[in-house]
Amino acid sequence: GQNIDQPTEMTATEGAIVQINCTYQTSGFNGLFWYQQHAGEAPTFLSYNVLDGLEEKGRFSSFLSRSKGYSYLLLKELQMKDSASYLCAVRSGTGFQKLVFGTGTRLLVSP
Amino acid sequence: GAVVSQHPSWVICKSGTSVKIECRSLDFQATTMFWYRQFPKQSLMLMATSNEGSKATYEQGVEKDKFLINHASLTLSTLTVTSAHPEDSSFYICSASQTQGYEQYFGPGTRLTVT
Repeated sequence: GQNIDQPTEMTATEGAIVQINCTYQTSGFNGLFWYQQHAGEAPTFLSYNVLDGLEEKGRFSSFLSRSKGYSYLLLKELQMKDSASYLCAVRSGTGFQKLVFGTGTRLLVSP
Repeated sequence: GAVVSQHPSWVICKSGTSVKIECRSLDFQATTMFWYRQFPKQSLMLMATSNEGSKATYEQGVEKDKFLINHASLTLSTLTVTSAHPEDSSFYICSASQTQGYEQYFGPGTRLTVT
């Protein structure tokens, strides 16, 4: 079966660093994605990991350990606009590039 | 680049009627399009995957006769919710993928309310 878990909610203060974890158990693995979604809007792409290790993109970094079925998204220098839901998604098949989404983590950044 | 549009952005319909939602890739050819449904405070649930010119592949538990998907061209896919009921009220999001790309590009979503 497919199971992707994330914490439901997290809070942090402006300027801080927050780490959002994602654990997965899927039938096959072909890459892990992180998306940001503001309320009432579509998800926007943040990062993609297919090999173990850390991918850094400005204030955002994503880490993957395939052997542990684990990833995290690291957000640095938090801004108020980072308040959103963060979705972890695993591509578990080939061909159609189907994504299975995690439960999502709602992040609230306070002043 | 890689823009996906959806129309309408929101729609209200009466129970028992049908609603069609369009998903277009504006500046690329999308060999594969995906339809998702998202209930409030929940994550995206894949409903079906469609490839241009062939029948859609539906996820387990999604009624193919109720959610009709047509992918007639490389830039357009439609989702028709037939005989809509209040429990079909949700946020419907499409995404599109290029032949050689790994990324799915998401549309802005359509909020459906069935009264």
